[in-house]
Amino acid sequence: AQKVTQAQTEISVVEKEDVTLDCVYETRDTTYYLFWYKQPPSGELVFLIRRNSFDEQNEISGRYSWNFQKSTSSFNFTITASQVVDSAVYFCALSGRSGYSTLTFGKGTMLLVSP
Amino acid sequence: DGGITQSPKYLFRKEGQNVTLSCEQNLNHDAMYWYRQDPGQGLRLIYYSQIVNDFQKGDIAEGYSVSREKKESFPLTVTSAQKNPTAFYLCATRQGGPGAYNEQFFGPGTRLTVL
Repeated sequence: AQKVTQAQTEISVVEKEDVTLDCVYETRDTTYYLFWYKQPPSGELVFLIRRNSFDEQNEISGRYSWNFQKSTSSFNFTITASQVVDSAVYFCALSGRSGYSTLTFGKGTMLLVSP
Repeated sequence: DGGITQSPKYLFRKEGQNVTLSCEQNLNHDAMYWYRQDPGQGLRLIYYSQIVNDFQKGDIAEGYSVSREKKESFPLTVTSAQKNPTAFYLCATRQGGPGAYNEQFFGPGTRLTVL
């Protein structure tokens, strides 16, 4: 079975602080994909990144960066110099053959950035 | 504009009534999904369809039904058998058929309240 754990239920930071959202996953698949989504207060999920299990290179996109470590089954997400607009719920998700390419979501981390 | 449309945005129903949630897409994506989101919970998969005229149960299919007669449409019916239907319902699509692991794109959601 596939499982995604986001242990941080809620994080509060002040604008311009860096913040890291943790994601730990479990899967029997050797090939799998990991995703991060953002859910702003409007409710619609916004896709941020997809990473396959063979690519452990870290990725940076503007203020966002992702650290994928197969050795610890983790796919952490860091926001540098956070802004109020980053306030949202962030979900980590996993897809693999054993799940018939459906997504298994973590419970999400609510990030609150105050001015 | 290309995208995913869910209607209505807010829906109220009396106990014992069936209700159908609409999901339409013009992205030409093969796969479509229905998720349920409860406060403080991640997204849980209700049903999914990877090709027209075929669909599969997800983790919480009891009390729900779907159809996939057209590529563009994947309506979800919440039946009176669903014990606790009040929730936020999200529809998603994905390019590629079975075995593809592309990211899913989400609609704006329908908030269902049972009175």
